[in-house]
Amino acid sequence: AQTVTQSQPEMSVQEAETVTLSCTYDTSENNYYLFWYKQPPSRQMILVIRQEAYKQQNATENRFSVNFQKAAKSFSLKISDSQLGDTAMYFCAFISTSGTYKYIFGTGTRLKVLA
Amino acid sequence: GAGVSQSPRYKVAKRGQDVALRCDPISGHVSLFWYQQALGQGPEFLTYFQNEAQLDKSGLPSDRFFAERPEGSVSTLKIQRTQQEDSAVYLCASSLWGQGKQPQHFGDGTRLSIL
Repeated sequence: AQTVTQSQPEMSVQEAETVTLSCTYDTSENNYYLFWYKQPPSRQMILVIRQEAYKQQNATENRFSVNFQKAAKSFSLKISDSQLGDTAMYFCAFISTSGTYKYIFGTGTRLKVLA
Repeated sequence: GAGVSQSPRYKVAKRGQDVALRCDPISGHVSLFWYQQALGQGPEFLTYFQNEAQLDKSGLPSDRFFAERPEGSVSTLKIQRTQQEDSAVYLCASSLWGQGKQPQHFGDGTRLSIL
């Protein structure tokens, strides 16, 4: 069975600084997708960034980038130039390419951006 | 609609009552997922529909939980004889085809409190 682990329950960062959130996962599959979602207090899960396992190039979306290490089964999220609006829960999620395509989520990291 | 719509946003019920939670996915989205999110945890998969067919219900915690999507659009999650451990946020998500590559779009969730 696949598992996703986020070992940092809470983190804080000063506005305009850079922060990295960690995520590791366990799977025996070779092809899969990884996601980072943001969940502000409003509760809606918002997609931040997506990585396809067969692509070696790390995904980037504006201030958000990932460090995908397939052999190490690691998928960290880097947020550059942190903004107050980045304050939220961040969830790492895994999808297998076989079966139901349901998300397997980690337990989340609560990020607080300080003014 | 523009996004996934869930209702009600909040639901309070007494233990033993039946509840029904509604999800209206993005128009044209074939795949629909239900997740349960306990306080301070990541969402956990409950069930999956492809059009009107319920293809995976492996995450439903007991036979008190029942979901349907009779016309392949709106879905209802029903919980019978509610218990305190059912208190959680119930998230609905939809995607165009559910093939993993396409991200799931989430609603704001229904926060269910069982007294």
